[in-house]
Amino acid sequence: DTAVSQTPKYLVTQMGNDKSIKCEQNLGHDTMYWYKQDSKKFLKIMFSYNNKELIINETVPNRFSPKSPDKAHLNLHINSLELGDSAVYFCASSQDLGGGDTQYFGPGTRLTVL
Amino acid sequence: KNQVEQSPQSLIILEGKNCTLQCNYTVSPFSNLRWYKQDTGRGPVSLTIMTFSENTKSNGRYTATLDADTKQSSLHITASQLSDSASYICVVSDSGGGADGLTFGKGTHLIIQP
Repeated sequence: DTAVSQTPKYLVTQMGNDKSIKCEQNLGHDTMYWYKQDSKKFLKIMFSYNNKELIINETVPNRFSPKSPDKAHLNLHINSLELGDSAVYFCASSQDLGGGDTQYFGPGTRLTVL
Repeated sequence: KNQVEQSPQSLIILEGKNCTLQCNYTVSPFSNLRWYKQDTGRGPVSLTIMTFSENTKSNGRYTATLDADTKQSSLHITASQLSDSASYICVVSDSGGGADGLTFGKGTHLIIQP
């Protein structure tokens, strides 16, 4: 009974392509996130999305665009992929946007850009 | 600038032994501190969360301590098991709330040897 699920688990693609990663949560949470974990295992938040309000991290290139069709889904679309985009991308959700809420993470999507 | 420093970067111990992981932070104003466990190839899972007024919290064989005066936290693992092999990530939230107020440490990679 998966709480936060992501697809695909692995994604290998050429530089310059456009790709999407999907995320779904069945916890009834109001807030969802995308994180990037680089080769040094450092987690960095990219976006958070709360009740249809997108909160953008200004350090993220505008090639990355999250889309939330409803509260249970937050997809990440990446245009013109670059080598530096290779990383593991984690989706997470929490009940609310507050820093005190526990975040539940998905299993991750390993993106490799060739 | 808010920072979270974890030590050691990696640690190898024998099964059954105890160990302590350290987390120092400069996040201000402080709201809460969490420890996450991240198994290889999986998303992080929350172990403990402590607010300013709490100085210790346990979750099974995991005990976290917090000294808000010195801005230090530790995660003590008792009677380690092979399944404790993972990365342990310290995350500090500022009192501004929201995901952009979270500062992640780079983690300690723990290996338990039989």
